Amino acid sequence: KAGVTQTPRYLIKTRGQQVTLSCSPISGHRSVSWYQQTPGQGLQFLFEYFSETQRNKGNFPGRFSGRQFSNSRSEMNVSTLELGDSALYLCASSLGLGDGGELFFGEGSRLTVL
Amino acid sequence: KQEVTQIPAALSVPEGENLVLNCSFTDSAIYNLQWFRQDPGKGLTSLLLIQSSQREQTSGRLNASLDKSSGRSTLYIAASQPGDSATYLCAPNFNFGNEKLTFGTGTRLTIIP
Repeated sequence: KAGVTQTPRYLIKTRGQQVTLSCSPISGHRSVSWYQQTPGQGLQFLFEYFSETQRNKGNFPGRFSGRQFSNSRSEMNVSTLELGDSALYLCASSLGLGDGGELFFGEGSRLTVL
Repeated sequence: KQEVTQIPAALSVPEGENLVLNCSFTDSAIYNLQWFRQDPGKGLTSLLLIQSSQREQTSGRLNASLDKSSGRSTLYIAASQPGDSATYLCAPNFNFGNEKLTFGTGTRLTIIP
């Protein structure tokens, strides 16, 4: 059974540009969550999508956005990149039943902003 | 504010020893708690999931306990091996109805051969 797949694995952007990251969940999983990991702040929740609807959102500026498609694949977008956006972005999938099921993470997309 | 603390931040032990990693959280109204390990530069690997109704969960050499009333969870690793070296993260879910996890800062474990 394939795990959570994130693309691209590594990318370098410059300040002011935008970036789109992709996440394919485990087959049958309908919930996709995104997290940002930095050395200073640790792992912070960005947002969660279930059945193409944002179900929860973390405390990030509006430059961070996401969406989910009908096949449960998800994308997140960061516009007007800042140096502080350099981080490992992790995607997690779960059945999404809302009863605290197990989350499975991908390998992450490492973004470097120059 | 719901906070998660993991102490110690780093731990080094000789191979073969049993060890305990600690996790404390400020809100006892959790719905479940998950333990993960993270190898350098990698994603998170789920180790154990404990539901709020459970006191402990076991998988191989790993045993996780949960005490909601005191806001604590422990991860016990038996007969440690060099391959156990990683950062261990605990993550309670405080939010029924969605899948948001709140992460601790982790314990970086080094097993000395």
